[in-house]
Amino acid sequence: SAVISQKPSRDICQRGTSLTIQCQVDSQVTMMFWYRQQPGQSLTLIATANQGSEATYESGFVIDKFPISRPNLTFSTLTVSNMSPEDSSIYLCSVAPKGGTEAFFGQGTRLTVV
Amino acid sequence: SQELEQSPQSLIVQEGKNLTINCTSSKTLYGLYWYKQKYGEGLIFLMMLQKGGEEKSHEKITAKLDEKKQQSSLHITASQPSHAGIYLCGADYSGGSNYKLTFGKGTLLTVNP
Repeated sequence: SAVISQKPSRDICQRGTSLTIQCQVDSQVTMMFWYRQQPGQSLTLIATANQGSEATYESGFVIDKFPISRPNLTFSTLTVSNMSPEDSSIYLCSVAPKGGTEAFFGQGTRLTVV
Repeated sequence: SQELEQSPQSLIVQEGKNLTINCTSSKTLYGLYWYKQKYGEGLIFLMMLQKGGEEKSHEKITAKLDEKKQQSSLHITASQPSHAGIYLCGADYSGGSNYKLTFGKGTLLTVNP
């Protein structure tokens, strides 16, 4: 398994500002992903965070809005840029440990944009 | 339409009762993950199924993947208030070492003491 620390756990932000969410894993992982869970909805994959290269975004998500960094095999950040109330969601980091077969999730960041 | 359908959307049971949650895919699954989520929190990994006909158990929770690998069921025996939460199934449609998951909308389980 993997222990994932996601920060912050929650935040209330003003529209037009940006928030950076951090995901730290206690071991090296092959894959890191960022998901969004809008109120009352299921999880939607935003992007795959690639170590040492640009993230791979899913349809409907763009780098300008959700820039992602992954400087090493244990850490990634997701920035939610120029926020609007529609960005109010839970954002979750997911990892797949090296040699493992499961995908684990962090505790999530509950974002409210006012 | 949804690739992954979960049923029921919500379920209220009396403590001690058994229950089943279903997850049906519109296409063949490479892997099927079950998670539990407390309201507004992260996901707790329960089980992952890959082989058709596979069945796994953890404490009082059993999950099966049918032979055609298009449907999975999660069964809780003698439910307890601690089982309450949102149960999500996640599908791996890519195979390999991808781990990109498509999720169902979840089943909200309430267990009344």
